[in-house]
Amino acid sequence: GAGVSQSPSNKVTEKGKDVELRCDPISGHTALYWYRQSLGQGLEFLIYFQGNSAPDKSGLPSDRFSAERTGGSVSTLTIQRTQQEDSAVYLCASSLSGTGVLPLHFGNGTRLTVT
Amino acid sequence: GQQLNQSPQSMFIQEGEDVSMNCTSSSIFNTWLWYKQDPGEGPVLLIALYKAGELTSNGRLTAQFGITRKDSFLNISASIPSDVGIYFCAGPHNTQLTFGSGTQLTVLP
Repeated sequence: GAGVSQSPSNKVTEKGKDVELRCDPISGHTALYWYRQSLGQGLEFLIYFQGNSAPDKSGLPSDRFSAERTGGSVSTLTIQRTQQEDSAVYLCASSLSGTGVLPLHFGNGTRLTVT
Repeated sequence: GQQLNQSPQSMFIQEGEDVSMNCTSSSIFNTWLWYKQDPGEGPVLLIALYKAGELTSNGRLTAQFGITRKDSFLNISASIPSDVGIYFCAGPHNTQLTFGSGTQLTVLP
C-alpha cells in the first residue's frame, strides 16, 4: 500500500490562528511519530504514539501544541494561537513498533508558514 | 537529551568524487542509522548499523558503527547528481529517534 500521507502539504496561516495537520500512517503500523524541522535544522522530536496513547509527549514545545490519534491510525497535530516561530516543516513517521524505532517511514511533511 | 554532532554541515563536491561525513555523540548508542532527505520530501533510511565495529555497504554507500559506540561515518563513492540532499545520522533514545543536524551535500557537474 501507500506510504505515510500528510495533509495539507503546505499551509499558510495568520499569527494567532489555529491549525490542524493530519497524518495517515502506513496501514498496520502501531507506532506514530511527529517531528518538526526548522529551516536548515535537524529533526526535533515532538510526540510518539503507540496505538492511540501517547507515552512520550516530551517534545511538545508548549501547551499550544496537542496531538491525538484515533482508531490506531490517523493522527492530527493541532497548534493553537500560532506564532511565527511555529513556522517549520512538520513531519510524521510510522513504524511497525515503537520498541526499536526501526525503521521509521516518513511522510513528505506539511510546510507551515505563519505570517 | 541525547545530542548527535554531525559534520560537516555542508559539502560541495565534483561529480565522481568520494565523500565522507560523520556523526559523534557523548553517549553510547546501540544502533546508528543514516537517512537521506531529498528536497520537499521526508527522510528515507539508507543504512542501519546494529553492532559496534560493523561495516555495512549499500551500493555506493558504506557506513561504519564505531567501536566506542559513540560515532559513525558514512561514505559515498563516485558521487552522482542524484546524491544531492541532506544526510542525517540518527540513533534511538528510549522511544525516540534522535537526529543529527544534517550534512547538506551538493554535487557539482
